[in-house]
Amino acid sequence: DTEVTQTPKHLVMGMTNKKSLKCEQHMGHRAMYWYKQKAKKPPELMFVYSYEKLSINESVPSRFSPECPNSSLLNLHLHALQPEDSALYLCASSPVASGDYNEQFFGPGTRLTVL
Amino acid sequence: AQSVTQLGSHVSVSEGALVLLRCNYSSSVPPYLFWYVQYPNQGLQLLLKYTTGATLVKGINGFEAEFKKSETSFHLTKPSAHMSDAAEYFCAGMNYGGSQGNLIFGKGTKLSVKP
Repeated sequence: DTEVTQTPKHLVMGMTNKKSLKCEQHMGHRAMYWYKQKAKKPPELMFVYSYEKLSINESVPSRFSPECPNSSLLNLHLHALQPEDSALYLCASSPVASGDYNEQFFGPGTRLTVL
Repeated sequence: AQSVTQLGSHVSVSEGALVLLRCNYSSSVPPYLFWYVQYPNQGLQLLLKYTTGATLVKGINGFEAEFKKSETSFHLTKPSAHMSDAAEYFCAGMNYGGSQGNLIFGKGTKLSVKP
């Protein structure tokens, strides 16, 4: 299995809702990432987990809460989002977070719309 | 600090013509460099990467890129464009010493292929 899966594919939520995005990989990778991508822009890094521990938080608002329950799963919990948070949310994984074996594999993304 | 610059936000070629997408990096040391492709409403797929060793890197779908340290460039080429190559292309870099896997993306180049 050489892919990163993300669910759901699409998500529409109101500003008062609580929802979660899920990401899974079975490649034995020990680093996982969340990116946010707005239309016609490159992905922006949000969080990095290395060996299930949060190692980077790129000053992301607290309405986004990541969780890494185990080495294969990565969640992004969403609460009280704003319309400007609408974007494509990409998950990625890599064998480790640094060194030569750092090729990142991306999932297909979750298209989030906040009303 | 490292930056990645892609010259040209939009490149249009005819089917069968040469594809050349330009990428320059700014770094005090040679970085890891990557080219990703993104089709509409999909995640990023790795085309090729440069880490160390051979400076001419061959990737998937007939693409290749050459790392030129003297020009701080990593341009992507394909001898003959196909309609299926129409997509957004991102050049990305990463410093040695593992900046915790932080990919630095260029702004992207949209490739259009005319029949």
